[in-house]
Amino acid sequence: GQNIDQPTEMTATEGAIVQINCTYQTSGFNGLFWYQQHAGEAPTFLSYNVLDGLEEKGRFSSFLSRSKGYSYLLLKELQMKDSASYLCAVRDRRTLTFGKGTMLLVSP
Amino acid sequence: GAVVSQHPSWVICKSGTSVKIECRSLDFQATTMFWYRQFPKQSLMLMATSNEGSKATYEQGVEKDKFLINHASLTLSTLTVTSAHPEDSSFYICSARGAGSGASSYEQYFGPGTRLTVT
Repeated sequence: GQNIDQPTEMTATEGAIVQINCTYQTSGFNGLFWYQQHAGEAPTFLSYNVLDGLEEKGRFSSFLSRSKGYSYLLLKELQMKDSASYLCAVRDRRTLTFGKGTMLLVSP
Repeated sequence: GAVVSQHPSWVICKSGTSVKIECRSLDFQATTMFWYRQFPKQSLMLMATSNEGSKATYEQGVEKDKFLINHASLTLSTLTVTSAHPEDSSFYICSARGAGSGASSYEQYFGPGTRLTVT
């Protein structure tokens, strides 16, 4: 099975930078995903890491260290619309398992 | 990007009745579709995985006779909640994975979800 851990809640200020961490334990690692989910909506894809290192996509970046079972999602120049739940998900050979999500609240 | 639709977006039904939810991949062929359930303030829990033309694989604790899944074509999967009860009220989300190379073979595209309320 898989064990995925991420903080429950985080708060940040508009324009700031925030880093959401995710640690995981899995057998047969086959990629790590970050999704954004607004309340009452389905998740939307943000990033995918399968090799160690940093993937940058606009204001969002995601980092992976397979040896440490660790990833983070970095959000820059925060906007009010970034207030949402951020889900770390790990794929093994068969399934994609989601963490419980980190609720990010961006304040003015 | 790839689009997945779900129908209906919300449904209210009486206890004991059955409800069918459709999941369609609109612009790609989905060899594998996944059904998730999400209770308020909780994460997505995988219910079952279905491959086109074969029986679905259910996760532990999910009753296959209660949650019937049919993946009859490469663009359509259905989830039927049979004899629904109030505890089945939840947000049901499907996702689809394509057969191609690159991102489409790794990424799962999510439908908008179906809010089921059983009274």
